[in-house]
Amino acid sequence: DAGVTQSPTHLIKTRGQHVTLRCSPISGHKSVSWYQQVLGQGPQFIFQYYEKEERGRGNFPDRFSARQFPNYSSELNVNALLLGDSALYLCASSLEGSGNQPQHFGDGTRLSIL
Amino acid sequence: GENVEQHPSTLSVQEGDSAVIKCTYSDSASNYFPWYKQELGKRPQLIIDIRSNVGEKKDQRIAVTLNKTAKHFSLHITETQPEDSAVYFCAASRDHNTDKLIFGTGTRLQVFP
Repeated sequence: DAGVTQSPTHLIKTRGQHVTLRCSPISGHKSVSWYQQVLGQGPQFIFQYYEKEERGRGNFPDRFSARQFPNYSSELNVNALLLGDSALYLCASSLEGSGNQPQHFGDGTRLSIL
Repeated sequence: GENVEQHPSTLSVQEGDSAVIKCTYSDSASNYFPWYKQELGKRPQLIIDIRSNVGEKKDQRIAVTLNKTAKHFSLHITETQPEDSAVYFCAASRDHNTDKLIFGTGTRLQVFP
């Protein structure tokens, strides 16, 4: 079975642009979470979606938004990009999103802002 | 607020020795504690997890212990091998309704042959 897949793997943008990152969860997993990992730090929680509804939101500005589709895949959108948005964006999936189940990560999208 | 502290930030051991990484969490409602291994340029990989109703869990050379009173949990790796070299992250989750994980700052483990 395929694991969590993310696209694109790398992306270079300039300040002020917007970006859309995509994630497909493990087959059968209904919950998708997004994390931002800045170099040298642990991942920081951005969003969780379960059954197309937002179930959790981290301390990120409104420039960050996400959605989940009927097939449980998800998109993360970031508007008005800033230099500080440069990071590895990780997607994780779990079966039911109930908070005490294993989450499995994708390889991430490395976003560089020039 | 929610916080997870992790120590040490770097750890160097000789092949065959044991390695111990410690984490402390601030939220007493935390009830799920996974550990992830992240090799350079790769995804965080879940290696072991423990729930708050268990004090210890072991999987081959890896074990995790949890002390709820002290709000403290640890990863133990025995008989370390060079391929254990990576950054290890602890994390904590407090909510039955969300998957939100609070991660520690990571420990870079180097195992020398």
